[in-house]
Amino acid sequence: GENVEQHPSTLSVQEGDSAVIKCTYSDSASNYFPWYKQELGKRPQLIIDIRSNVGEKKDQRIAVTLNKTAKHFSLHITETQPEDSAVYFCAASTYSGAGSYQLTFGKGTKLSVIP
Amino acid sequence: DADVTQTPRNRITKTGKRIMLECSQTKGHDRMYWYRQDPGLGLRLIYYSFDVKDINKGEISDGYSVSRQAQAKFSLSLESAIPNQTALYFCATSDHGGETQYFGPGTRLLVL
Repeated sequence: GENVEQHPSTLSVQEGDSAVIKCTYSDSASNYFPWYKQELGKRPQLIIDIRSNVGEKKDQRIAVTLNKTAKHFSLHITETQPEDSAVYFCAASTYSGAGSYQLTFGKGTKLSVIP
Repeated sequence: DADVTQTPRNRITKTGKRIMLECSQTKGHDRMYWYRQDPGLGLRLIYYSFDVKDINKGEISDGYSVSRQAQAKFSLSLESAIPNQTALYFCATSDHGGETQYFGPGTRLLVL
């Protein structure tokens, strides 16, 4: 099955700096890669996603890049703010039959933005 | 997302007890999932269901069972709880394509 590795497990940055979180996946058939943000005590929520036919996608201060050849994708947060502090999960979607897909999650990165 | 709800939100139980966690959704999605979250281990899939008559085991199904009572309801049972089942449990839903998943608020379970 799919295996998703995520690094680093913890990341501290100064407010205003950029943060980068990286993930690798094993199944070359995976074609959808979402990123979830989980604030303390809250549920994971989708913040951005990318499909395999696209190399990069941006949404204001966040962007995701995908390298299908190398089987890795990254989350970039620019001009970080204290409210960006959270745990971030990457995931890869693999086909599980009957027209449906399953997500395999990375272990998460705890991002701390220091004011 | 208020469209996916879980009950109870917190539960303390003893080893050997049977416990049921419930999930309901008003999103009209046909896919439902149960995940377990442990510190440093991310989200691991326990069971998933693509419709009322479909139940599938996930990565860590041992010690758990599920019931899909209706399109909107998906329950997770621990037949005989043990301490290493102490965790945060999330229900999630997705539409027919099954890619974007929407999570419930979670149930924090402590097994003594």
